[in-house]
Amino acid sequence: DQQVKQNSPSLSVQEGRISILNCDYTNSMFDYFLWYKKYPAEGPTFLISISSIKDKNEDGRFTVFLNKSAKHLSLHIVPSQPGDSAVYFCAASDFGNEKLTFGTGTRLTIIP
Amino acid sequence: DTAVSQTPKYLVTQMGNDKSIKCEQNLGHDTMYWYKQDSKKFLKIMFSYNNKELIINETVPNRFSPKSPDKAHLNLHINSLELGDSAVYFCASSTRGFYEQYFGPGTRLTVT
Repeated sequence: DQQVKQNSPSLSVQEGRISILNCDYTNSMFDYFLWYKKYPAEGPTFLISISSIKDKNEDGRFTVFLNKSAKHLSLHIVPSQPGDSAVYFCAASDFGNEKLTFGTGTRLTIIP
Repeated sequence: DTAVSQTPKYLVTQMGNDKSIKCEQNLGHDTMYWYKQDSKKFLKIMFSYNNKELIINETVPNRFSPKSPDKAHLNLHINSLELGDSAVYFCASSTRGFYEQYFGPGTRLTVT
């Protein structure tokens, strides 16, 4: 029973264009969402997060959007750069649960 | 100046052996975690400790025993290794009450 889903295993985007990564969840108790970036042979690195009381959070080139009614969030990267090529994981948590539930990841490839 | 470190990075061993993986964090966090990433790249929580106290114990075989000598260290001991234990194991840490977790580089365990 996968509570966090990333339905696109891979995505290719031209350098300079917008990358949009999507994530869906089923557990309505989730109240905090995070995006992690992972390079090969390294651990996941925290990228950006959003609380369920917000619908948007920005940090530089990265913006996360949350649609609670649709149980959907997305990560926008603008403009995309070659160094953004990595696997991106969506994760979710509910207050007091202490654990993150991860999606299966989307491999983003930025084409120069 | 590594924030979350794990040793060893690679571990190849035979079925039936006992092995340990060590994790240390210098971020001053009070909570540490073990995650397993299986062959399908699914990252799943195994254990969590807060100030040396076990707070999360997911459905993990009792061949896996975490030990936290202090809040900066969390080790994972695995008895009677099986083929299905082959995976990448990630340690992570956080401050309790904050959702963001910081991951180590991972330990790739191969059981032959």
